[in-house]
Amino acid sequence: DTGVSQDPRHKITKRGQNVTFRCDPISEHNRLYWYRQTLGQGPEFLTYFQNEAQLEKSRLLSDRFSAERPKGSFSTLEIQRTEQGDSAMYLCASSLRGSGSTDTQYFGPGTRLTVL
Amino acid sequence: AQSVTQLDSQVPVFEEAPVELRCNYSSSVSVYLFWYVQYPNQGLQLLLKYLSGSTLVKGINGFEAEFNKSQTSFHLRKPSVHISDTAEYFCAVSARYSGAGSYQLTFGKGTKLSVIP
Repeated sequence: DTGVSQDPRHKITKRGQNVTFRCDPISEHNRLYWYRQTLGQGPEFLTYFQNEAQLEKSRLLSDRFSAERPKGSFSTLEIQRTEQGDSAMYLCASSLRGSGSTDTQYFGPGTRLTVL
Repeated sequence: AQSVTQLDSQVPVFEEAPVELRCNYSSSVSVYLFWYVQYPNQGLQLLLKYLSGSTLVKGINGFEAEFNKSQTSFHLRKPSVHISDTAEYFCAVSARYSGAGSYQLTFGKGTKLSVIP
């Protein structure tokens, strides 16, 4: 299967610890997105990369959050000094820039974070 | 900015009955429209999308949706549901222009479809 993959699938951590998640997009996709989904809500946009450049960041992405996409391939999302409010499913999506102004985003299985 | 309202948080329906999941959106610009399905503990799978052209869009698993610009709606329908359709369904929009803010999807809160045997 060559879909979007995310690692780990589940992460339990204690408040105050740092965590890092990884996303591997579909191989030829040059756009990568991170979303956060809390219980009973739809996904909310966090940030967007085109190749290695981080082009947009949501106000939801506080200073404790940082995302990278070195070399325009996989991406990492790090949360420093985790808080209980960070507990959520973190979803990664990728897409291929098309000739139009939008393209279809394909989602990975998500990383479920629980902060105790 | 865009917003999406999914009018029903839960929809129970008997197997082989028809179903309609409602979605309304608000936007100051033209939008593209999407429906995604999420099975328990999984990511989102694209069901169908409206980019342009015919307002009736057919997707996977027998689902279809109709874009109604005057009512700003994009309701999802299936004529006969199966047990395997039990899942959560999300309507989403993205802005129809190139530039800042256009690439992100804005989602509704989701509708949980429960198919009853």
